[in-house]
Amino acid sequence: DSGVTQTPKHLITATGQRVTLRCSPRSGDLSVYWYQQSLDQGLQFLIQYYNGEERAKGNILERFSAQQFPDLHSELNLSSLELGDSALYFCASSVEGAGNTIYFGEGSWLTVV
Amino acid sequence: KNEVEQSPQNLTAQEGEFITINCSYSVGISALHWLQQHPGGGIVSLFMLSSGKKKHGRLIATINIQEKHSSLHITASHPRDSAVYICAVRTYTGANSKLTFGKGITLSVRP
Repeated sequence: DSGVTQTPKHLITATGQRVTLRCSPRSGDLSVYWYQQSLDQGLQFLIQYYNGEERAKGNILERFSAQQFPDLHSELNLSSLELGDSALYFCASSVEGAGNTIYFGEGSWLTVV
Repeated sequence: KNEVEQSPQNLTAQEGEFITINCSYSVGISALHWLQQHPGGGIVSLFMLSSGKKKHGRLIATINIQEKHSSLHITASHPRDSAVYICAVRTYTGANSKLTFGKGITLSVRP
């Protein structure tokens, strides 16, 4: 158990819909990262938050947004969903600083039909 | 060319064999991570390296910063080592860091 909790574990939704994925980081970790893993692209960095503020952005689509709340949990919002958004979405957390170990949640499987 | 390249792409070994998985990268990094992803999807961080060598049980990870290369060795391999092994490098742009991942290699250890 990494200490990072993600919900829901599985989600099936229709194209055009909007979903929210939730992540609770390990206790004490200030950084939260979101990653997308699809079959053809492998793991892709989406976005990082540190103590409530956006710290770094990767290959995140404009239809996607995220935030980190004062209690440090984070949400990833995916809207106007397309079939190609079907993927495993991981949240990870770390105590930010150069070279900290990163801990992954179990992932949220999103299937868009 | 991807920033992070892993080889071989797929690997099958017999139980007990010594296994080496390689990772090469093309950018300056602050750290390199080795991750293990089980068939169910969960990812576990095995090692984080910025220099030298680390050992944990039957796993050994090495990194050569000058050659931009890292290896993950598994001694006395076991079927439970069957998983996808992913190399990821941490790079910084100003104060911001990100992880860039290799595509992973799928290891299958036969009993």
